[in-house]
Amino acid sequence: QKEVEQDPGPLSVPEGAIVSLNCTYSNSAFQYFMWYRQYSRKGPELLMYTYSSGNKEDGRFTAQVDKSSKYISLFIRDSQPSDSATYLCAMKTWAGGGADGLTFGKGTHLIIQP
Amino acid sequence: NAGVTQTPKFQVLKTGQSMTLQCAQDMNHNSMYWYRQDPGMGLRLIYYSASEGTTDKGEVPNGYNVSRLNKREFSLRLESAAPSQTSVYFCASSDPGYTEAFFGQGTRLTVV
Repeated sequence: QKEVEQDPGPLSVPEGAIVSLNCTYSNSAFQYFMWYRQYSRKGPELLMYTYSSGNKEDGRFTAQVDKSSKYISLFIRDSQPSDSATYLCAMKTWAGGGADGLTFGKGTHLIIQP
Repeated sequence: NAGVTQTPKFQVLKTGQSMTLQCAQDMNHNSMYWYRQDPGMGLRLIYYSASEGTTDKGEVPNGYNVSRLNKREFSLRLESAAPSQTSVYFCASSDPGYTEAFFGQGTRLTVV
């Protein structure tokens, strides 16, 4: 079993819908959780970063962590065609250290239909 | 405001040929990384360098070598390319005080 599981999709939804993207993990030591967004033929870029459990909101994006269930989610409200991309979850057990020890999910390919 | 720059962007190699992928960052980061990204496999770490003069193996180092030329540059070399090395290669850098990795735009390599 991989440490981080993520459904690769594709996930196709109509414009304006609420999107839910999810990852599960097995290592209970993970404490720092990130979502990266990767447009086609581009490198990943950091979208959201959260620590521990609870919600974090940034505009149309909300990151949610449920450490008891080892489950993280990214919600996108009022989805736009420009949100079409691959979303990778990533996590690590300690803060700082850059990308050292960062474990990535495989990414979910999201398509927002106009 | 270049960030992480990779060259070349595309490359086709024949089996057995060698090549070096170049990466440079202008953010004064200490740490640099090479990943490969394959369909269904996600991002996998090949090698990383915590600082100038040091390199360490990641999850999939076989068939690759790296050189941390200076603080800015980190190169990845394929000595004898194999079709299994067909992939998209990403270089990344990070500052040890943070948890974010900054990625380049990738090199699409095809080995025939």
